[in-house]
Amino acid sequence: KQEVTQIPAALSVPEGENLVLNCSFTDSAIYNLQWFRQDPGKGLTSLLLIQSSQREQTSGRLNASLDKSSGRSTLYIAASQPGDSATYLCAVKGINNAGNMLTFGGGTRLMVKP
Amino acid sequence: SAVISQKPSRDICQRGTSLTIQCQVDSQVTMMFWYRQQPGQSLTLIATANQGSEATYESGFVIDKFPISRPNLTFSTLTVSNMSPEDSSIYLCSVVGQGARETQYFGPGTRLLVL
Repeated sequence: KQEVTQIPAALSVPEGENLVLNCSFTDSAIYNLQWFRQDPGKGLTSLLLIQSSQREQTSGRLNASLDKSSGRSTLYIAASQPGDSATYLCAVKGINNAGNMLTFGGGTRLMVKP
Repeated sequence: SAVISQKPSRDICQRGTSLTIQCQVDSQVTMMFWYRQQPGQSLTLIATANQGSEATYESGFVIDKFPISRPNLTFSTLTVSNMSPEDSSIYLCSVVGQGARETQYFGPGTRLLVL
């Protein structure tokens, strides 16, 4: 059974700092990995999707990397802003899952202080 | 991308009653998913809803408790039946987008509180 872990569970940084969020998964037979952002009480916003054949994806100040063999992904946020404060979730879609099920990590709650 | 709307956005319900949540997508999709997010927890898949067939439920979820309808390729409903306080959660509808990248999109969620 796939298990996804995110470290740290919570993070507080001053504005302008570069930061890294970590995601690890136990079964490397994945189709893709997706990073989401969730604001309090809201739904999920897709940030980046990395296919299993890719090493990284970039969107603006965000860069996500994937090392499938070691079961790890990182989300790098450059020059953090207070508006980046949210919970960040990673989710993997396993090749062996029927029905395209995503397995989610517990999330990293990020606070960027002005 | 897919734009997903859900109704209601939130509700407060009494124990023992039922609530039906609606999910509308702006494009035709084959598979729709229903997730639950309990307070302080991550997301758990309840079931996959395919048009024209019975929904497929994940371990720990049963049709009598969470009946699902999928009448067409843009709409689905999830009913939370005979509610108890343990059902207080955010319920999210999700679809897989078109194209090779298969980004998964989520609705804004329905926040349910059961008293």
